[in-house]
Amino acid sequence: EAQVTQNPRYLITVTGKKLTVTCSQNMNHEYMSWYRQDPGLGLRQIYYSMNVEVTDKGDVPEGYKVSRKEKRNFPLILESPSPNQTSLYFCASSLSRGRYGYTFGSGTRLTVV
Amino acid sequence: RKEVEQDPGPFNVPEGATVAFNCTYSNSASQSFFWYRQDCRKEPKLLMSVYSSGNEDGRFTAQLNRASQYISLLIRDSKLSDSATYLCVLPYSGGGADGLTFGKGTHLIIQP
Repeated sequence: EAQVTQNPRYLITVTGKKLTVTCSQNMNHEYMSWYRQDPGLGLRQIYYSMNVEVTDKGDVPEGYKVSRKEKRNFPLILESPSPNQTSLYFCASSLSRGRYGYTFGSGTRLTVV
Repeated sequence: RKEVEQDPGPFNVPEGATVAFNCTYSNSASQSFFWYRQDCRKEPKLLMSVYSSGNEDGRFTAQLNRASQYISLLIRDSKLSDSATYLCVLPYSGGGADGLTFGKGTHLIIQP
């Protein structure tokens, strides 16, 4: 089944404790992206990647890192999480985002206390 | 920066009715658009793609008005299962960010 897999689905952590949210897609998509969704603010792009070893900042990159060492994986790293990073996070991938849009993972609900 | 505006609602509509809502955009160069559906706390799922003047899929019709820069989504014979948030999405590239611009969504509630 073609899909984008994120893990974990739910995570509660403490301020300052490094964490990684994994994202993997099995569709051989070149484009991958991370979004966060907050009430009243909608979906906002954190980072995106156009191919292996090619990443760039989205609209809200502060406090996040990404890497794209393999085509299928695009992990999101929070080196020192803070409470304002409490959010619902979505990973997405696309063959051609202008024509096909994105396929989204099921989301990761992160709470930083 | 490309912007997409939607009426947040909620739209409360009786089952079986026809409902329509619009999405306005500011980037006149956009060639394609998407409507996504998002259920509460779940991932957005692609509902329809719009490449030319419009698209129809069963009870759903999406239309594009380039002159006035809006797209619309029409749902006929609405079902209880149509209750969701509908996101208007515009692809863009360049200017330091790349991907899709999402509207904040229109919340639709179908009532029995």
